[in-house]
Amino acid sequence: GQSLEQPSEVTAVEGAIVQINCTYQTSGFYGLSWYQQHDGGAPTFLSYNALDGLEETGRFSSFLSRSDSYGYLLLQELQMKDSASYFCAVWRGNTPLVFGKGTRLSVIA
Amino acid sequence: DAGVTQSPTHLIKTRGQQVTLRCSPKSGHDTVSWYQQALGQGPQFIFQYYEEEERQRGNFPDRFSGHQFPNYSSELNVNALLLGDSALYLCASSEGTGGRETQYFGPGTRLLVL
Repeated sequence: GQSLEQPSEVTAVEGAIVQINCTYQTSGFYGLSWYQQHDGGAPTFLSYNALDGLEETGRFSSFLSRSDSYGYLLLQELQMKDSASYFCAVWRGNTPLVFGKGTRLSVIA
Repeated sequence: DAGVTQSPTHLIKTRGQQVTLRCSPKSGHDTVSWYQQALGQGPQFIFQYYEEEERQRGNFPDRFSGHQFPNYSSELNVNALLLGDSALYLCASSEGTGGRETQYFGPGTRLLVL
């Protein structure tokens, strides 16, 4: 079967750094991506890792270790607007086929 | 440039009925994928259309069917609705041979089955 595990909730202080982990069990793995979804909104693509290592995009970074079937999303200089749900997803080919259940991030003052 | 659009935004149906949801992809995109997102869960892949053919399919029953038109827009049809079909239905478009970052989600259609 295929599954992804990520924490259900995380709370962090404005201006701090937070890391959201994702472990996966799947066959035919191509890559791991991360999405942000605000309440009532559509998922927004944040990052994609196909190879081991760290990818940085502004305040957001994503890491992948294929040998450990593990990845994480790192958010720096947290802002209140970062409060949202974050999903990791495993890709096969050009399609994210399996999503995690999501991590609800609450940023507090 | 309009992004991915979906209609209707909300829909209420009763058990046993049939529903059709519509999606227009972002300009320049030729691939459409559909997802079902239950409350508090991650999206689940239903199927993907490319060149008017179903290219991949997730673990959904045959009650879920789709279509892609020559202009790349797409429909999702669900027959014999069940209470458990209540969810947010998301459409995502991308370029067939594009990179991962080209996929965009629409705002979704929220379906409630009573």
